[in-house]
Amino acid sequence: GNSVTQMEGPVTLSEEAFLTINCTYTATGYPSLFWYVQYPGEGLQLLLKATKADDKGSNKGFEATYRKETTSFHLEKGSVQVSDSAVYFCALEKNDYKLSFGAGTTVTVRA
Amino acid sequence: SQTIHQWPATLVQPVGSPLSLECTVEGTSNPNLYWYRQAAGRGLQLLFYSVGIGQISSEVPQNLSASRPQDRQFILSSKKLLLSDSGFYLCALDGLGAGANVLTFGAGSRLTVL
Repeated sequence: GNSVTQMEGPVTLSEEAFLTINCTYTATGYPSLFWYVQYPGEGLQLLLKATKADDKGSNKGFEATYRKETTSFHLEKGSVQVSDSAVYFCALEKNDYKLSFGAGTTVTVRA
Repeated sequence: SQTIHQWPATLVQPVGSPLSLECTVEGTSNPNLYWYRQAAGRGLQLLFYSVGIGQISSEVPQNLSASRPQDRQFILSSKKLLLSDSGFYLCALDGLGAGANVLTFGAGSRLTVL
């Protein structure tokens, strides 16, 4: 079935550093792909999504491109801030409105 | 806008005791509703989902059950908690207005079983 694998953390960065979190997927067809973010003590919220190959999702300075040839949806941000410290989840559409989530990557940004 | 309320926010229960976590939603009708569990150091696991009143699908066999007595109410229960039931439980709804498969999550309920 459809599933995602994302890089394990934790990731610790200094402010203004470049962030990449790798996510690869296994799927039949071309499911929609998502990145969700969970800030400390909160539930998850959608960060960005892409619904077809070559789509680029972007939000809050984060970007991810749906790459069919490498079956990837890596999350990137050029200059992180302390407020970006969170757990990031890659997810893909499974079936019947269900999502399959990756294990999550904890990111800590130091001032 | 769609909102999700979960309670209690935190709960400490002894092994063998019952459990009831409640989720209610506003700003939508006939949503698809989900219960996820986030165990320490692990990702999200889909436990149950519901497409309507009284309709529950279980994703994994376990010690828990779910019910949907009203359109906007989704309850997670257990008759006897196990230590392994500890975790962060998240209720979610399918935000049809924002596009299929965009989930809106509640703030979660943290359960510790001692």
